[in-house]
Amino acid sequence: EDQVTQSPEALRLQEGESSSLNCSYTVSGLRGLFWYRQDPGKGPEFLFTLYSAGEEKEKERLKATLTKKESFLHITAPKPEDSATYLCAVQARRAGGTSYGKLTFGQGTILTVHP
Amino acid sequence: NAGVMQNPRHLVRRRGQEARLRCSPMKGHSHVYWYRQLPEEGLKFMVYLQKENIIDESGMPKERFSAEFPKEGPSILRIQQVVRGDSAAYFCASSPKFQREIQETQYFGPGTRLLVL
Repeated sequence: EDQVTQSPEALRLQEGESSSLNCSYTVSGLRGLFWYRQDPGKGPEFLFTLYSAGEEKEKERLKATLTKKESFLHITAPKPEDSATYLCAVQARRAGGTSYGKLTFGQGTILTVHP
Repeated sequence: NAGVMQNPRHLVRRRGQEARLRCSPMKGHSHVYWYRQLPEEGLKFMVYLQKENIIDESGMPKERFSAEFPKEGPSILRIQQVVRGDSAAYFCASSPKFQREIQETQYFGPGTRLLVL
């Protein structure tokens, strides 16, 4: 069974204090690893998809990296508006390269950035 | 280009009533997924549909829950005889038609918050 574990559960940072969020995963065959941001009362907002170990993607102050067992979301010089819950999810690969469709999510990391 | 639309945004039902949640995917998307987020828990997959077909319902409770995605109109998640434990946020996501070389990203709607009294 696919599993995703995110750490820490909650992270408090001062504005400008860089840090990283961790996502450890177990999946039979990885088709994609996804990062989403979720604000209170809203739906998850897509950030990144990573497909293979060694891949990196960046967007503004965020950078996502992937190894064979985990992914990191690095936040550089965060601002209060970066405060949100960050969700990691995996999608498994089926024989033939197609996907099972469903995403398996971690519990999320609640990030709070203080001014 | 409008995103994934869900309605109603909030739904209050009494125990034993039926709840119908609607989801209109993004334009051009033919795959729909439903997820449930219970209080203090993560998002859990429920069902994956394409037009007129249920592809994977491995996450659906065996009783009282059903889903459809008709040829015309929105996808519907139906919960019969609701109980208090059904109170949760229900999210719909959609993705484009599958292309072998392109991993399909799922885009989420704003959710329907169901409260069962």
